[in-house]
Amino acid sequence: LAKTTQPISMDSYEGQEVNITCSHNNIATNDYITWYQQFPSQGPRFIIQGYKTKVTNEVASLFIPADRKSSTLSLPRVSLSDTAVYYCLVGDQTGANNLFFGTGTRLTVIP
Amino acid sequence: GAVVSQHPSWVICKSGTSVKIECRSLDFQATTMFWYRQFPKQSLMLMATSNEGSKATYEQGVEKDKFLINHASLTLSTLTVTSAHPEDSSFYICSARDLVGFDFRSNEQFFGPGTRLTVL
Repeated sequence: LAKTTQPISMDSYEGQEVNITCSHNNIATNDYITWYQQFPSQGPRFIIQGYKTKVTNEVASLFIPADRKSSTLSLPRVSLSDTAVYYCLVGDQTGANNLFFGTGTRLTVIP
Repeated sequence: GAVVSQHPSWVICKSGTSVKIECRSLDFQATTMFWYRQFPKQSLMLMATSNEGSKATYEQGVEKDKFLINHASLTLSTLTVTSAHPEDSSFYICSARDLVGFDFRSNEQFFGPGTRLTVL
């Protein structure tokens, strides 16, 4: 069962780039890395998913080193509305393991 | 993107009563649905996996007779909290996944908005 470790909390000023790192030392060959965002009293929302190297979409980038034992979610120029909890999950295509949420990282964006 | 709804969004009930929460996939067929529970300031905890047409699989420590799950169709799963007690007060979230059209994104979960249960 792949386990993830993230910082409990982070603060950032508006307009800055925020990088949240997740450790997953026991990631398996078939596992993908998925990041979710959750606002208070809402269900998590998919942000980005990747397997290796770099993935970019309209809201974030995901950097995955060659050994895949960690990954970094990069949020460019954060705004107050990015204040949320961010979770990384790992799992294979069958969905095994990527059902278990770690502590997540509580990001607070400061004006 | 795929949309998952939950009903009700919040419910308050008396201790000892049963409460049913519905989870619906609105624009796709969900062969598998998941039920999570989240206490304040804590992470999501997987309670059970619900497969259409078969019995749910419960995680260790989750009482299957207390949390009844039914997944009778490809678009609907229900969670019934039986004989609810104040300690069952929590935020219940469902998610759905469509394994048809198998690709690398197929393990993505689509989450519902959650249901806030308060047991008095």
